[in-house]
Amino acid sequence: KAGVTQTPRYLIKTRGQQVTLSCSPISGHRSVSWYQQTPGQGLQFLFEYFSETQRNKGNFPGRFSGRQFSNSRSEMNVSTLELGDSALYLCASSEPPIGAGGYTFGSGTRLTVV
Amino acid sequence: TQLLEQSPQFLSIQEGENLTVYCNSSSVFSSLQWYRQEPGEGPVLLVTVVTGGEVKKLKRLTFQFGDARKDSSLHITAAQPGDTGLYLCAGYNFNKFYFGSGTKLNVKP
Repeated sequence: KAGVTQTPRYLIKTRGQQVTLSCSPISGHRSVSWYQQTPGQGLQFLFEYFSETQRNKGNFPGRFSGRQFSNSRSEMNVSTLELGDSALYLCASSEPPIGAGGYTFGSGTRLTVV
Repeated sequence: TQLLEQSPQFLSIQEGENLTVYCNSSSVFSSLQWYRQEPGEGPVLLVTVVTGGEVKKLKRLTFQFGDARKDSSLHITAAQPGDTGLYLCAGYNFNKFYFGSGTKLNVKP
């Protein structure tokens, strides 16, 4: 079956702009989680969606938001971009019960803010 | 606060050597996963361990979950250049995953 698909793979944005990233989970997976990965901070949890509802949220400012659609596809949005938002953004899906089998990650979206 | 501490942070070895990576916590986890990540890609799940004391083998990789479910280790026998990558452990509790900071392994031919 197809893996987790993230688009776009690479993105360059200017400070102050906003960006939307997309994630299509593995068919049948209802949970989608988003992570930010940077060399200094490692993998930082952003949020998790399950059946269109945000179930968990990490410690990120309100500029970071997300949503999940009825087909389990998810988007995350970052508004008023800052240089420090440059990172690899990873989407991960899992099948219920959540956590038992671990995540399947996408290849990520590399965001560069200039 | 990192709930999971991995050691060492960096490891550079010659092909054919053995190595062990550690993942430690003061918290008890209901399950623990190990992932490997290559540059520019997302982490790939290697194994999930659930029972305290559990040992799983994946070819030359041996994973162990501590008896108290607070720690884990990954042992690689006769490392190969293809084992190069970032190794991440992740503990699962109360609907959340907690990732370690990772061990960057470089295996030189």
